[in-house]
Amino acid sequence: NAGVMQNPRHLVRRRGQEARLRCSPMKGHSHVYWYRQLPEEGLKFMVYLQKENIIDESGMPKERFSAEFPKEGPSILRIQQVVRGDSAAYFCASSPSGNTIYFGEGSWLTVV
Amino acid sequence: GESVGLHLPTLSVQEGDNSIINCAYSNSASDYFIWYKQESGKGPQFIIDIRSNMDKRQGQRVTVLLNKTVKHLSLQIAATQPGDSAVYFCADQHDAGNMLTFGGGTRLMVKP
Repeated sequence: NAGVMQNPRHLVRRRGQEARLRCSPMKGHSHVYWYRQLPEEGLKFMVYLQKENIIDESGMPKERFSAEFPKEGPSILRIQQVVRGDSAAYFCASSPSGNTIYFGEGSWLTVV
Repeated sequence: GESVGLHLPTLSVQEGDNSIINCAYSNSASDYFIWYKQESGKGPQFIIDIRSNMDKRQGQRVTVLLNKTVKHLSLQIAATQPGDSAVYFCADQHDAGNMLTFGGGTRLMVKP
């Protein structure tokens, strides 16, 4: 059973461009979470989704950030008009039931 | 957990010794707790979990202790090995499906 798959692993964007991060949950998992991690810090919750629904987006910045988990295909975290402060590691996690949560290897975004 | 947003505290132990990593959480309604291990450049790896109706749970070389009275969680690693060197995070959750709240993390360094 493959783990949580994230791509790209590393992404470089210029200020003002868009970043799209993709996450394929583990097989059979219908709960997807996105977290952001700055260097030397813990993970900060961004958004929790189930298929076609956003359940909790209390950690998402109000502007420029959006997330989706369509009926078919991976979950997407989209950051529009990136700024230097968006540089971070973005982790996706999945769960079959909302308890034991497994993380992917992360996508490292660098904004130059 | 509570993220402090500063340089990570570091625990340095000799190979073969036991390690104890501590964590405080703030939400008295949390009923599920997880310890994760994160190596540099990788995603958090599930180590062990415990529910609030227990105060101790043992795995292979690891033990988690939960003290709900003082909202404290600890991870004990027996016979610490160089491969245990990583950053360790605790996380807590209130009700299945809700977000995990991560603590600030502790860096474990194992001296050969």
